[in-house]
Amino acid sequence: QVQLQESGPGLVKPSETLSLTCAVSGYSISSGYYWGWIRQPPGKGLEWIGSIYHSGSTYYNPSLKSRVTISVDTSKNQFSLKLSSVTAADTAVYYCARRLKVAAAGRDYFDYWGQGTLVTVSS
Amino acid sequence: DIQMTQSPSSLSASVGDRVTITCQASQDISNYLNWYQQKPGKAPKLLIYDASNLETGVPSRFSGSGSGTDFTFTISSLQPEDIATYYCQQYDNLPLAFGQGTKLEIK
Repeated sequence: QVQLQESGPGLVKPSETLSLTCAVSGYSISSGYYWGWIRQPPGKGLEWIGSIYHSGSTYYNPSLKSRVTISVDTSKNQFSLKLSSVTAADTAVYYCARRLKVAAAGRDYFDYWGQGTLVTVSS
Repeated sequence: DIQMTQSPSSLSASVGDRVTITCQASQDISNYLNWYQQKPGKAPKLLIYDASNLETGVPSRFSGSGSGTDFTFTISSLQPEDIATYYCQQYDNLPLAFGQGTKLEIK
């Protein structure tokens, strides 16, 4: 069974960098799939932040692209999110998820999700 | 970017009712649409992919239809455990985008 678990500071000061890690178990990241981050401000909807392919290719939401870096560490079977210059608007529950994309079959969805971690931006 | 608009934003229905949620894309996305269910304090769960395909293990009372710009998600007979917020999500083009959600409550 594939499991994902987010970890990182729950409180980040304005203008600093938010850093989260997603540990994956039950599946080797190096075997394939895309891996992504999605966030949800309190009481609001879901926003895709970006995805990384197991090979390291990255895809970011243009609304966040200038501040986002997603990386993968296959040796530790985990991937990470860095979001720089945070403000209160970045306060949200951050989810990591596995993204199944099979272009030939026209399929592309998030099939496994972490439980989410709340990150608050405040001084 | 493709914008996804769901309606209604909230919905109150009785157990056993047929419930319908609509999702409209700002441009043609073919059938490249997913539906997720999110219960309070939990991560979203995939219910429908490719507009109308039921994910394995999901009860058959859930269904999806549509193509192009207009899509429908239906619960044929509402159950108490279906109380959640439902989101559509397009994958025709990056950035991936979700609808704003429809919160379903029991009347």
